[in-house]
Amino acid sequence: SQTIHQWPATLVQPVGSPLSLECTVEGTSNPNLYWYRQAAGRGLQLLFYSVGIGQISSEVPQNLSASRPQDRQFILSSKKLLLSDSGFYLCAWTRDRGLNTEAFFGQGTRLTVV
Amino acid sequence: DAKTTQPNSMESNEEEPVHLPCNHSTISGTDYIHWYRQLPSQGPEYVIHGLTSNVNNRMASLAIAEDRKSSTLILHRATLRDAAVYYCILRAPGSLLNRDDKIIFGKGTRLHILP
Repeated sequence: SQTIHQWPATLVQPVGSPLSLECTVEGTSNPNLYWYRQAAGRGLQLLFYSVGIGQISSEVPQNLSASRPQDRQFILSSKKLLLSDSGFYLCAWTRDRGLNTEAFFGQGTRLTVV
Repeated sequence: DAKTTQPNSMESNEEEPVHLPCNHSTISGTDYIHWYRQLPSQGPEYVIHGLTSNVNNRMASLAIAEDRKSSTLILHRATLRDAAVYYCILRAPGSLLNRDDKIIFGKGTRLHILP
């Protein structure tokens, strides 16, 4: 069966520090991968999505970046965090061209920038 | 991207049916209608999806209008655990060259269940 792992679950980082959040998927190949952010009391904002290794599409301009070094690994990074980067970060995957199947979400990382 | 419109919030009594509406008047013929829900402090979870015909699963039913411009998620007997934000999403196919499958969430409907 397929599973998605996202870590860490919670993170407190000072302003200006770097960030690296990792997401891995097991039990499938060539998935579409997504990073979302949810600010407190707000909706889910799509940050990045990837349809293959090294293929990243950015949805909003920001000081975050994403990379996909392996087929089932998706990394969200920042060189210098801002206070506004605080939020609930979620990784998700879907099957390639899987419109007729569901998206699976990780448990999320709650990031607090102080 | 095709857009969806949902009420901001709804209330229902426990053990009664709940009908959550979604308007998607700009839907195209190949867009799938998906529903997800998000419980507090958790990632969204899949509820149900459909294309043209009504769909049933263990969690809910999905009623799709004949012109596909609206749909309704039906929870047959709401429990307190069904209190969540419910999202209605359209998923459009990419082309053969473009595998894009952006999954864009709207604001959803916050469902409150009254004991």
